[in-house]
Amino acid sequence: EAQVTQNPRYLITVTGKKLTVTCSQNMNHEYMSWYRQDPGLGLRQIYYSMNVEVTDKGDVPEGYKVSRKEKRNFPLILESPSPNQTSLYFCASSSPPGTQYFGPGTRLLVL
Amino acid sequence: QQPVQSPQAVILREGEDAVINCSSSKALYSVHWYRQKHGEAPVFLMILLKGGEQKGHEKISASFNEKKQQSSLYLTASQLSYSGTYFCGTESYGNQFYFGTGTSLTVIP
Repeated sequence: EAQVTQNPRYLITVTGKKLTVTCSQNMNHEYMSWYRQDPGLGLRQIYYSMNVEVTDKGDVPEGYKVSRKEKRNFPLILESPSPNQTSLYFCASSSPPGTQYFGPGTRLLVL
Repeated sequence: QQPVQSPQAVILREGEDAVINCSSSKALYSVHWYRQKHGEAPVFLMILLKGGEQKGHEKISASFNEKKQQSSLYLTASQLSYSGTYFCGTESYGNQFYFGTGTSLTVIP
């Protein structure tokens, strides 16, 4: 089944404790992206990647890192999480200019 | 750079029609439309590439006016299952993707 998987689905952490949210897709898509969704603000792009070893900043990259060492994986790293990074995070993949397939989302709470 | 959607919210009775608009200040390569149910991930509806084409399936269609950098989503004879938040997504020449702030659509019996 074609899908994008994210782990974990729910995460509660404390300020400053490094964390990684994994994202994996099995559709051989070149394009992968991370978004955060906050009430009233819609979905905002954090980082995107056009292919392996190629990543670019989206609209709200501050406080986040990504890497694309393999085509299927695109982890999101928060080196020192802060409460303003509490949000719902989505990973997505596509073969441009086509459909973006979204993962199920990761709810992050930073205390 | 985030596209502007209107209206922010709309309530319809079953069978009524609705139009959701999306406007961007940047030249667009494509416009995407997604629907998101509460607590779920956004689901793709359709993509429109530059050229002013109109696409659709069943009772949901969309248009894209490249010159005005605007797109509209048309929902006809709405059903209860149409309820959700609709997002337009815009792609400019640079691969960065922007979503609008969303339009909450509620269909009531």
